[in-house]
Amino acid sequence: DTAVSQTPKYLVTQMGNDKSIKCEQNLGHDTMYWYKQDSKKFLKIMFSYNNKELIINETVPNRFSPKSPDKAHLNLHINSLELGDSAVYFCASSQVYVSGTPNYGYTFGSGTRLTVV
Amino acid sequence: GQQLNQSPQSMFIQEGEDVSMNCTSSSIFNTWLWYKQEPGEGPVLLIALYKAGELTSNGRLTAQFGITRKDSFLNISASIPSDVGIYFCSKIIQGAQKLVFGQGTRLTINP
Repeated sequence: DTAVSQTPKYLVTQMGNDKSIKCEQNLGHDTMYWYKQDSKKFLKIMFSYNNKELIINETVPNRFSPKSPDKAHLNLHINSLELGDSAVYFCASSQVYVSGTPNYGYTFGSGTRLTVV
Repeated sequence: GQQLNQSPQSMFIQEGEDVSMNCTSSSIFNTWLWYKQEPGEGPVLLIALYKAGELTSNGRLTAQFGITRKDSFLNISASIPSDVGIYFCSKIIQGAQKLVFGQGTRLTINP
């Protein structure tokens, strides 16, 4: 059983296209995230949702629009793709306790490698 | 203030050698996490540290949370080929509910 699953694993598309990446977690966590990993392997948070509510938006271009239909799903839609959007996108989830701090770290999906040509 | 600096950026070692890597922060923090990423996969949590001075082991891995709360190290003893990957230190930004990562240490092992 995959804890955090992303689809597709690979995505090759042309500049200007619109694409979506889907993410689902079966851990019962209440918070989900999108991270971007660039070619130098640096991981940077993009968005987080807690119980379907947007919590973090790290100055990501508004061409990126996350959507959370329920707390087990967080999808990422990207409009008008640009060459610089090429990266690996990771979905993650965690359980935020009463203190507001995730105590046991995040669980990551295996990533979606997006290549814009 | 949120930046994490990892060193070294890469390591090339022989199988069986011990490995040590560390991470420093300009600000203090309360939770320290070490992750490993293998090719084609997402990061996986190795060790979590919650108290200054805490020393925690997970098999051949040992990590310590510095007493100043601004640094941590990760040691791997008797390395084996499956230890290959990128090791990330990370910390949780209190109140912001987000995990921030260091630049990573890429470990390569020669058989």
